[in-house]
Amino acid sequence: IAGITQAPTSQILAAGRRMTLRCTQDMRHNAMYWYRQDLGLGLRLIHYSNTAGTTGKGEVPDGYSVSRANTDDFPLTLASAVPSQTSVYFCASSPGLADTGELFFGEGSRLTVL
Amino acid sequence: GQNIDQPTEMTATEGAIVQINCTYQTSGFNGLFWYQQHAGEAPTFLSYNVLDGLEEKGRFSSFLSRSKGYSYLLLKELQMKDSASYLCAVKDSNYQLIWGAGTKLIIKP
Repeated sequence: IAGITQAPTSQILAAGRRMTLRCTQDMRHNAMYWYRQDLGLGLRLIHYSNTAGTTGKGEVPDGYSVSRANTDDFPLTLASAVPSQTSVYFCASSPGLADTGELFFGEGSRLTVL
Repeated sequence: GQNIDQPTEMTATEGAIVQINCTYQTSGFNGLFWYQQHAGEAPTFLSYNVLDGLEEKGRFSSFLSRSKGYSYLLLKELQMKDSASYLCAVKDSNYQLIWGAGTKLIIKP
């Protein structure tokens, strides 16, 4: 049972470089999400997708972009990384945006921007 | 603005009972979730409340009072493996989850 797979698990990146965090789920969930988690703060939503072909902005979308070409994949791209984007990034999915079910999380990607 | 408040850290003794409180102010309400997160790991689902009252699941129970904007997570018969952060989250009127910063629970022998 794979659930949600994120890659890479950890990465050190120079400021100004482009980076894509990959996320794949095998549960056929419609909704997918990208969160960042920083010490002392709650999980903050970056972008989300209700279903393949649609995306929406969350609480902290600036500097990030996403795409949802199919149901399974939801990559997050940092076009030009900055040190404030140093964080742990979690991808998550749920059957639907408006459902009352739980979120299923990937194991996280720890990103350090120098 | 929307806000979720929970204590930053709590300490309890193995075998004891602990209650972790969560208060919220959100634009609308479509349910409250509790997640457990061990250090360096992903959050995992513990409970969901949408109606007032107590939901019991083994050693863990979760309570909700919508009129007071209040919930608590009750952990009984504490075990060392319960040492983790506990995250409270509320689904608002747009079905977006608003997260608290989490309560780090330290269990001592």
